[in-house]
Amino acid sequence: QVQLVESGGGVVQPGRSLRLSCAASGFIFSNYAMHWVRQAPGKGLESVAVISYDGSQKYYADSVKGRFTISRDNSKNTLYVQMNSLRDEDTAVYFCARDGGDGYNMIDYWGQGTLVTVSS
Amino acid sequence: DVVMTQSPLSLPVTLGQPASISCRSSQSLVHSDGNTYLIWFQQRPGQSPRRLIYKVSNRDSGVPDRFSGSGSGTDFTLKISRVEAEDVGVYYCMQGAHWPPTFGQGTKVEIK
Repeated sequence: QVQLVESGGGVVQPGRSLRLSCAASGFIFSNYAMHWVRQAPGKGLESVAVISYDGSQKYYADSVKGRFTISRDNSKNTLYVQMNSLRDEDTAVYFCARDGGDGYNMIDYWGQGTLVTVSS
Repeated sequence: DVVMTQSPLSLPVTLGQPASISCRSSQSLVHSDGNTYLIWFQQRPGQSPRRLIYKVSNRDSGVPDRFSGSGSGTDFTLKISRVEAEDVGVYYCMQGAHWPPTFGQGTKVEIK
């Protein structure tokens, strides 16, 4: 079965960096685009970034453009997001999610999420 | 960005009764390829979202048939024919036709 396991969250000071990872299993990782989506405490869902199946195309929300970098290692079945210049408003649970591939942004499976807290 | 507006934001329902959630988009979700990229997710308390419906009306595998999706263009609806206790949670619509994908605010379904 599809499994997505995020890691790397924690407490970080404003302006610092953090890298999140998402280990995928149960499907052919290199065939699927992947997303990062976040959810601030008690709030709704916000798309952060998406990467194509081969890593050649990347898209970012305006709120993170220039600060976050999405990447993947298909040999390790792992998705990453490098988060630099973190701000208070980046505090959220970060989910990785698979794009089902049947069209555009058809997210189907989600990980359990990892909490990032930006605080001094 | 495409704004997704859900209503109501809170929906108390009686067990066994129907429930309906509306989702409206600020732009048409009909893609140039002819498909309409609208998804419904369920997020139970303390869990990750789970996809229920994709491309407006296609139910995912394992989703009970009491859930159905309908709509077109900018106006969409999720219906639960008979609410069960396990349906408690927050329901989100999401559009994938335009970058970035955007979500509705969520509708909290609770039992009266």
